[in-house]
Amino acid sequence: TQLLEQSPQFLSIQEGENLTVYCNSSSVFSSLQWYRQEPGEGPVLLVTVVTGGEVKKLKRLTFQFGDARKDSSLHITAAQPGDTGLYLCAGRTSNTGKLIFGQGTTLQVKP
Amino acid sequence: DAGVTQSPTHLIKTRGQQVTLRCSPKSGHDTVSWYQQALGQGPQFIFQYYEEEERQRGNFPDRFSGHQYPNYSSELNVNALLLGDSALYLCASSSRVHNEQFFGPGTRLTVL
Repeated sequence: TQLLEQSPQFLSIQEGENLTVYCNSSSVFSSLQWYRQEPGEGPVLLVTVVTGGEVKKLKRLTFQFGDARKDSSLHITAAQPGDTGLYLCAGRTSNTGKLIFGQGTTLQVKP
Repeated sequence: DAGVTQSPTHLIKTRGQQVTLRCSPKSGHDTVSWYQQALGQGPQFIFQYYEEEERQRGNFPDRFSGHQYPNYSSELNVNALLLGDSALYLCASSSRVHNEQFFGPGTRLTVL
């Protein structure tokens, strides 16, 4: 069974703080995607990483794919209340295959 | 350009009933995947449709079935509903060329 372990599950921080969310697996993924989900809505794609060691930046968000393509991290610099939401990592083992999701990290950023 | 749309938004059913959920993919997409998301959890893959056939299936019983139409829209059917089927059902569309999946807003199913 392929699993994606996401940590931490919950994170409550003050505005301006930095944070990192981790996504780990024993499986190798052909690509890994990060999504953000608001309550009552579907996940919104933030980024896709494909190459081992790849780093992508999206404003204050930095995404990294592990060299062995088994793990990934999301780092947020100077978090803002608008960053509040559920962050999900999802891996794919083949180009057209299903997405395997982590259990999600609920982030609350207090003003 | 409309994104992925799903209907209905919310649905309340009782145990033993049957339900049909609908999904229209994003323009240009030909592949539809369905996921079940329990409260506080990540989505779980149910199945994927491409060229009107089920191509992959997750660990869900036969009570869960689907269909894809020539216009790429899709339906998810669940028979003999159980209390544990209460969840947010998400549809995601993608293309064979660019495999990133884009999600709809979901259908919230409550089974009483």
